[in-house]
This record gives sequence, C-alpha cells and structure tokens, in this order.
Amino acid sequence: DTAVSQTPKYLVTQMGNDKSIKCEQNLGHDTMYWYKQDSKKFLKIMFSYNNKELIINETVPNRFSPKSPDKAHLNLHINSLELGDSAVYFCASSQTGTGVGYTFGSGTRLTVV
Amino acid sequence: GNSVTQMEGPVTLSEEAFLTINCTYTATGYPSLFWYVQYPGEGLQLLLKATKADDKGSNKGFEATYRKETTSFHLEKGSVQVSDSAVYFCALTTNQGGKLIFGQGTELSVKP
Repeated sequence: DTAVSQTPKYLVTQMGNDKSIKCEQNLGHDTMYWYKQDSKKFLKIMFSYNNKELIINETVPNRFSPKSPDKAHLNLHINSLELGDSAVYFCASSQTGTGVGYTFGSGTRLTVV
Repeated sequence: GNSVTQMEGPVTLSEEAFLTINCTYTATGYPSLFWYVQYPGEGLQLLLKATKADDKGSNKGFEATYRKETTSFHLEKGSVQVSDSAVYFCALTTNQGGKLIFGQGTELSVKP
C-alpha cells in the first residue's frame, strides 16, 4: 500500500492555466506538507497543515492555494500558471511528537510551457 | 535562522570506496537531524535520523553521528555500491510537526 500518494505524477500545461495536484496519506498522520523542488534539486517548504488547519505558509504567491478537506488529504491548486512554476512538487506527512520523520510522496513533475 | 549546509557535489566514487558527505547546521534549540535519499525519478526516503546529541543513526550501512559541539551530522559509508548512486539531503527540524529544513543536496555517483 502506498503511504503517501500524489496524482498526477506528470503534468504538462500551458501558461495561464489553472491546475490541481492531489495528495492522500493512509498513515494516520496529523500533519501534511507541500514542498517544491527546483531544477537544482533544492527543496523548500510551501505549506503545512495540521488536522486541516494551516500552520505554515512560506511566502508563496497567492496563486497557490492549498486545501485540506480532512487530515488524510492535502490538495494544491495553482491559478494562472507561470513558467517559473515548473518544478517537482512533493507532498509529505508526519505525526506530531513521534520523531519518526516525514514520509514523502513520489512527486508531481509540473512543466509549464 | 535555522539552516543546513552540505558539501557540494557531484561526488564520484569507485565501487567499494569510503564515503563521507559533510553536513553542518545552524539552529536554535535542539534540532532533530535527518538524512534523506532521493533515487533518480523518485521521491525522498528517510535514510537515518538522530534526535539528540551523540546519537548515531544508521541504516543500510550508512551512519551519521549528531555532534553538537561541531554542529555536524556527516554521513558515512564504509563501502559504497553502484546502487547507492542518488542525491543525499541532510535536514533538520526544531520541533515535531514543524517544517523540515533541507540542505542543498549532494549528488553521489558510484562507478563500477
């Protein structure tokens, strides 16, 4: 069973379009995250939700809007896509207080043309 | 602010060579430290972790010791294999459930 699953794995779209990436975790974790990995492999957190409540919002443009319908799901909607949004987006989850570490999804490669 | 610095890559080694990837950190409080590995085309996998000073994390022949006095968490392996070729990330968090701060990643290439 996949612990953290993201869909789609690849997304190619034109500038100006709106797209969504979905993430689901079946680990029972209470916290979920979105990370962005740029072309140089650098990873930076974008958002964090704990039990459906937004905890971290790291100076991400307003075009990016996360939504957490329940603690097992955290979706990422992007409006008016720009060339600079091309990257790999990773979803992750963790359980507060366990020190176990974070479990990552396999990533969504977004290419804006 | 909190940060992680890794040695620059790419690192190219022959099979069975000894590996060290340096990682140093800056953090307030007492961070937990992690090494993650990313194989080509895949997501990140937790390789090992340490939650307090002098702890040694180990997994799959890799080791790293949490050194508070030198603020370091260097990754080592005695004998690398071709299958170890990947990008390795050092990371820290200062509270459970908080954000994970990554180093810039070090690409390792192991040649037969």
